[in-house]
Amino acid sequence: QQQVKQSPQSLIVQKGGISIINCAYENTAFDYFPWYQQFPGKGPALLIAIRPDVSEKKEGRFTISFNKSAKQFSLHIMDSQPGDSATYFCAASMNYGGATNKLIFGTGTLLAVQP
Amino acid sequence: DTGVSQDPRHKITKRGQNVTFRCDPISEHNRLYWYRQTLGQGPEFLTYFQNEAQLEKSRLLSDRFSAERPKGSFSTLEIQRTEQGDSAMYLCATSDGGAKVVTQYFGPGTRLLVL
Repeated sequence: QQQVKQSPQSLIVQKGGISIINCAYENTAFDYFPWYQQFPGKGPALLIAIRPDVSEKKEGRFTISFNKSAKQFSLHIMDSQPGDSATYFCAASMNYGGATNKLIFGTGTLLAVQP
Repeated sequence: DTGVSQDPRHKITKRGQNVTFRCDPISEHNRLYWYRQTLGQGPEFLTYFQNEAQLEKSRLLSDRFSAERPKGSFSTLEIQRTEQGDSAMYLCATSDGGAKVVTQYFGPGTRLLVL
C-alpha cells in the first residue's frame, strides 16, 4: 500500500513534442505529490508538486494532472527540449502535521528528447 | 545547487571495511532524511531526524547502519562491515518543518562502491 507505480520505464520524444509520465498510488493518506528530475551523477531536484485539493498545476512547460478518484497523477512536459533529457521520479508523502513526510518514490522514467 | 552538501562524493572501499558519510543541511532546516538509491531505481527512505532526534528508521537500515545528528546540525551515516550489496548512492535531503508544505531538498549524494 506504500508503493507508487510509475510508467513508462523509458520514453523517447522528439524535440518540441509532449512527454507524458504516469504514476499511481494506493495509500489514500498521501497528500503531497512531487515530481523530481535527476541528471546522471546528481541528486534529485524538485520540479513541481501538487496537493490533492486541485486537479491540475502548471509551472512553465511542466504540468501535473491529478485524478483523486482514480488515485493517479501525471507529469506533462510541453515543447520538450534536449535539455529535458533526464530521469523523472514521481513521489508521494503524508505532509500533515506530525508525519515524517518521508517520500515514497516511483521507479523512475528515463526521458530522451531527440533533436 | 540546493545548499545541501554531502561528503565525500565518491567512496570506494573493500568488503568488511567501515565507511562514514556526512551531510550538511541548509542552515534553517530542522528535518533531515537519508535515502539510498540503487542503479535504475528510485530513492528509498532509510531514516529521518527532526533536529537531533532520530524519529524513524526503515527496515532497510540493518544493525550495520547507524546515523547521528548531533546538535541538530550536520548528520553522519556510518556503515560497518560493508557488503557488496551496500553499493549504492546515499542521498541526504533536508526540509523546513515549519513550512506549510514540507519540500525536501536533496544533496548531490555519495556514491559508494564496495569491492
